[in-house]
Amino acid sequence: SQQGEEDPQALSIQEGENATMNCSYKTSINNLQWYRQNSGRGLVHLILIRSNEREKHSGRLRVTLDTSKKSSSLLITASRAADTASYFCATDAGGGSYIPTFGRGTSLIVHP
Amino acid sequence: DADVTQTPRNRITKTGKRIMLECSQTKGHDRMYWYRQDPGLGLQLIYYSFDVKDINKGEISDGYSVSRQAQAKFSLSLESAIPNQTALYFCATSGRTAGTDTQYFGPGTRLTVL
Repeated sequence: SQQGEEDPQALSIQEGENATMNCSYKTSINNLQWYRQNSGRGLVHLILIRSNEREKHSGRLRVTLDTSKKSSSLLITASRAADTASYFCATDAGGGSYIPTFGRGTSLIVHP
Repeated sequence: DADVTQTPRNRITKTGKRIMLECSQTKGHDRMYWYRQDPGLGLQLIYYSFDVKDINKGEISDGYSVSRQAQAKFSLSLESAIPNQTALYFCATSGRTAGTDTQYFGPGTRLTVL
């Protein structure tokens, strides 16, 4: 079963535009992470936000977390063609196991 | 050199064959994982190991087995491959830092079972 679900499943934008993707989850979490996957390659960690944090930034990435709504968003500002990839959220549901559970991902295409 | 390596990168095999996928890491992490990725289904956890003597089933372990030969090596076996095991397989490692696990993925093995 998947804890996190990304929305939308697919997103197509022009270079320079902002891209926003969302993740909803079902149970309380310790932290939430976002990963990027270029086509057919391994996932790469982007950013982690803890349950007691509301917003984090890393370069052109901005992540928010709303634990009351059990949701997170990833904003990529001033997108580039190289941002074309699939983006996954992973939630750690706690309980001491620290096993992240991945959603199905959002496929982002940035047109030059 | 890559921190997490997987061999082979691509494999085509026939139904009923035994297949082993290997994973090695140089990150010094205790935790290692095997995931399967099918189109549109994200990542599904097959097995995970928190140290050499600790191996646990994930959500889709049926038809698979693993061996943790050393801290740095974690192998996944398909005892008798079937076509619906055709997928992209990823190994990952993680190290506990401040109570969280950030995972580091290998490049993947594309397995086709005919």
